[in-house]
Amino acid sequence: EAGVVQSPRYKIIEKKQPVAFWCNPISGHNTLYWYLQNLGQGPELLIRYENEEAVDDSQLPKDRFSAERLKGVDSTLKIQPAELGDSAVYLCASSPGSGRETQYFGPGTRLLVL
Amino acid sequence: GENVEQHPSTLSVQEGDSAVIKCTYSDSASNYFPWYKQELGKRPQLIIDIRSNVGEKKDQRIAVTLNKTAKHFSLHITETQPEDSAVYFCAASLGGANNLFFGTGTRLTVIP
Repeated sequence: EAGVVQSPRYKIIEKKQPVAFWCNPISGHNTLYWYLQNLGQGPELLIRYENEEAVDDSQLPKDRFSAERLKGVDSTLKIQPAELGDSAVYLCASSPGSGRETQYFGPGTRLLVL
Repeated sequence: GENVEQHPSTLSVQEGDSAVIKCTYSDSASNYFPWYKQELGKRPQLIIDIRSNVGEKKDQRIAVTLNKTAKHFSLHITETQPEDSAVYFCAASLGGANNLFFGTGTRLTVIP
């Protein structure tokens, strides 16, 4: 069974440019999470989806970040415009739902904003 | 919201010795406590988890203990091996599909 897939793995952009990250969760997993991991820190939630519905986006900086999961499978996280402080690893995770809690993480996208 | 603290931030042990990492949490409603191992540049991988109706869980060389009253839980690795070297994160959750609140991580180095 394939794990959580993310692309790109690395991205270097200049500040004020837009950037997008893509995530494909494990097949059949209803819940999808985007986490932000700063260097030397644990992941922090940005947004959580149950199928196509964003059920927790309280930590998403909505002035510049947006996300979508249109068909309840793949998801895209976008930053526009990027700032220097956005440099971090963006992790996607999925879980089966239906009371099963285990979250499986993707390899992450490492973003560097210059 | 939940606040998870983790100690120590770094830990060095000799190969074959035991390693213990401790975490505390603030929200007494949290009931699911996973531990993740993250090697440099790789994804966090679940190594063990425990739910609040259990006080201890063991899987080969890895064990986790939970004290609900004191709101702390610990990871124990016995007979450490060089391949155990990584960053370990504890986390707490309200369970179900709720998000995880992570500690700040412990960098474990096992010296051959």
